[in-house]
Amino acid sequence: DQQVKQNSPSLSVQEGRISILNCDYTNSMFDYFLWYKKYPAEGPTFLISISSIKDKNEDGRFTVFLNKSAKHLSLHIVPSQPGDSAVYFCAASGHTGNQFYFGTGTSLTVIP
Amino acid sequence: DTAVSQTPKYLVTQMGNDKSIKCEQNLGHDTMYWYKQDSKKFLKIMFSYNNKELIINETVPNRFSPKSPDKAHLNLHINSLELGDSAVYFCASSQGPSGVNYGYTFGSGTRLTVV
Repeated sequence: DQQVKQNSPSLSVQEGRISILNCDYTNSMFDYFLWYKKYPAEGPTFLISISSIKDKNEDGRFTVFLNKSAKHLSLHIVPSQPGDSAVYFCAASGHTGNQFYFGTGTSLTVIP
Repeated sequence: DTAVSQTPKYLVTQMGNDKSIKCEQNLGHDTMYWYKQDSKKFLKIMFSYNNKELIINETVPNRFSPKSPDKAHLNLHINSLELGDSAVYFCASSQGPSGVNYGYTFGSGTRLTVV
C-alpha cells in the first residue's frame, strides 16, 4: 500500500515560470517530509525538508508548503530553469525519521 | 572523492545465480540503507544499518542478506536471483539514524537485470 503518492508523472513548464509539484500522503502520523531531485543515472539528491510543525519552508528558489489537514505538500520552484529538469521525489517519515516512504516521482521538464 | 559509491553500476546475470552489490561511504555517517526502485519507479526501503547493527528490515525475501563489515560499508548479497529482482538498487547514508535534517546521501544506483 503506497503511503506517499505523486499523481502527476510528468510536468512541463516554460523557463522563468513557476513549477508546482504535488505530493499526497495517507498516514497522519508522518512528521517529516523531504523532497529529492534525481538526474538520469544518478542517485536522488536531497533538496529541501519540512517538519509537521511548519507549513512552509523556503530555500532560495525552492519552497515547500505543507497542508496537514489535507495531507498534502507541494514544492514550488520559481523561477524555473532548464537545469531544474529532473525527476522529483517526495518522501515522508514518522517522528523517528529513520524510515522514509517515497512517492513514485514527477518528471519535470523546463523548456528554454 | 565520491560520497556514496556503489559497485557495480550495471549487473546482468542469469536466474539462479548469487551476486553481491557493494556500497561504501566516506562521509563518516553512522547509518546506511538499501533502497530498491522497481519498474514502477517506486523507491522502497529494504534495510537500514546504524553503526553496523540492523535497525530496519522490511519485508524482503531472505535471499537478500545485507552485510556491514564496518560503518562505512553496507554490502547486499542476493542468492538464487529471480526475474522479479530486476530493479535499480540504491545505497544511501545519513548522519545518525534519522534522515530528517539533511536527508540521505544516495549512491548513483546499481541496475540489476536478471535474465
